[in-house]
Amino acid sequence: DGGITQSPKYLFRKEGQNVTLSCEQNLNHDAMYWYRQDPGQGLRLIYYSQIVNDFQKGDIAEGYSVSREKKESFPLTVTSAQKNPTAFYLCASSEGSLRLSTDTQYFGPGTRLTVL
Amino acid sequence: AQSVTQPDIHITVSEGASLELRCNYSYGATPYLFWYVQSPGQGLQLLLKYFSGDTLVQGIKGFEAEFKRSQSSFNLRKPSVHWSDAAEYFCAVGPSNDYKLSFGAGTTVTVRA
Repeated sequence: DGGITQSPKYLFRKEGQNVTLSCEQNLNHDAMYWYRQDPGQGLRLIYYSQIVNDFQKGDIAEGYSVSREKKESFPLTVTSAQKNPTAFYLCASSEGSLRLSTDTQYFGPGTRLTVL
Repeated sequence: AQSVTQPDIHITVSEGASLELRCNYSYGATPYLFWYVQSPGQGLQLLLKYFSGDTLVQGIKGFEAEFKRSQSSFNLRKPSVHWSDAAEYFCAVGPSNDYKLSFGAGTTVTVRA
């Protein structure tokens, strides 16, 4: 089955530690995204990548970093510079068509990060 | 920049009753609109989307939405709610020249027996 996997489902880290969240897709999609979700708020875009070896900052990129070395993988690192990292993190992918916003984004199951 | 407002934070509906979730957007040109549903602790699933054409859009699970340009709205409806429809629903809007989607804060739907 094609889809998006995120691991782990739950992640606990001590304050000051960097942590990397995994996102893998086998949909052959060019574009991938990372969102952060907090209670009572919509999703906020952290980073997105339209193609391998290229990525762009979203609305809340500070304290986060990404890489896109392979088409199917888009890991997100939450660094110690992120002031409030506890949240639900969602990865998404889309075909990456020329009509960018008509691209439908498909979401993974999410990773809940708790910083102690 | 575009923005989305979902005026209702929480809606409770009886099983079998109709459901309408409101979504208002702010965007200067023709928007591209989406409704997603999220079960607790899960990712988002696309219910339906509107790009152009017929303003009444049919989606999965018996949902439909109507685009009303004059009211800047894209309300989601279902004629008869099932207990499995209890979830959080997000409206999203995107412009035609950018990957970025703007999401509303979501509406939580509770279904009572």
